[in-house]
Amino acid sequence: SAVISQKPSRDICQRGTSLTIQCQVDSQVTMMFWYRQQPGQSLTLIATANQGSEATYESGFVIDKFPISRPNLTFSTLTVSNMSPEDSSIYLCSVAFYREETQYFGPGTRLLVL
Amino acid sequence: GENVEQHPSTLSVQEGDSAVIKCTYSDSASNYFPWYKQELGKRPQLIIDIRSNVGEKKDQRIAVTLNKTAKHFSLHITETQPEDSAVYFCAASGYNTDKLIFGTGTRLQVFP
Repeated sequence: SAVISQKPSRDICQRGTSLTIQCQVDSQVTMMFWYRQQPGQSLTLIATANQGSEATYESGFVIDKFPISRPNLTFSTLTVSNMSPEDSSIYLCSVAFYREETQYFGPGTRLLVL
Repeated sequence: GENVEQHPSTLSVQEGDSAVIKCTYSDSASNYFPWYKQELGKRPQLIIDIRSNVGEKKDQRIAVTLNKTAKHFSLHITETQPEDSAVYFCAASGYNTDKLIFGTGTRLQVFP
């Protein structure tokens, strides 16, 4: 497994602003993913963060709203842009190692948009 | 694309009883099926997984079974304890893809 950290752990933001969430892993990983978990709901994949290239977004998620960076094998950011109350959720990153399907999750970032 | 259904949505059992959670998937090419446990306010934690070349896997009180023909897999927890109370998610990944599609979750409550 790996030690995965996320910053911030929680935040309260005003509508119309943007928040960047960081995900840091203590070892090099092949895959990094970003998920959203709305209150009491399951995990929905937002995108796969690709190292050195544009992220791969799932249906219903677009780059303008959720820009993602992955400059190296241990770090990724997710930005939630032009926030509205509907963006209030937990955002989680997950990682997977080379040739392993198992995903390990970060502790999550709790976002409340007022 | 892949779709994963999970039942039941809530499950209440007495301590010591068994609990069974079932999932079905749509993509016959799916080949990896993990189960995650999420305690309140915590991250999802992998508790057991199974690959499509195996029919059953056990780890102490936890077991997972896979029926590829019927495209369903189940989590079995025996001798349940109050600390087993959590939300459990099944997931499936397709052939040649790293993505996981999650089920809707089962809230398990174990009463002492």
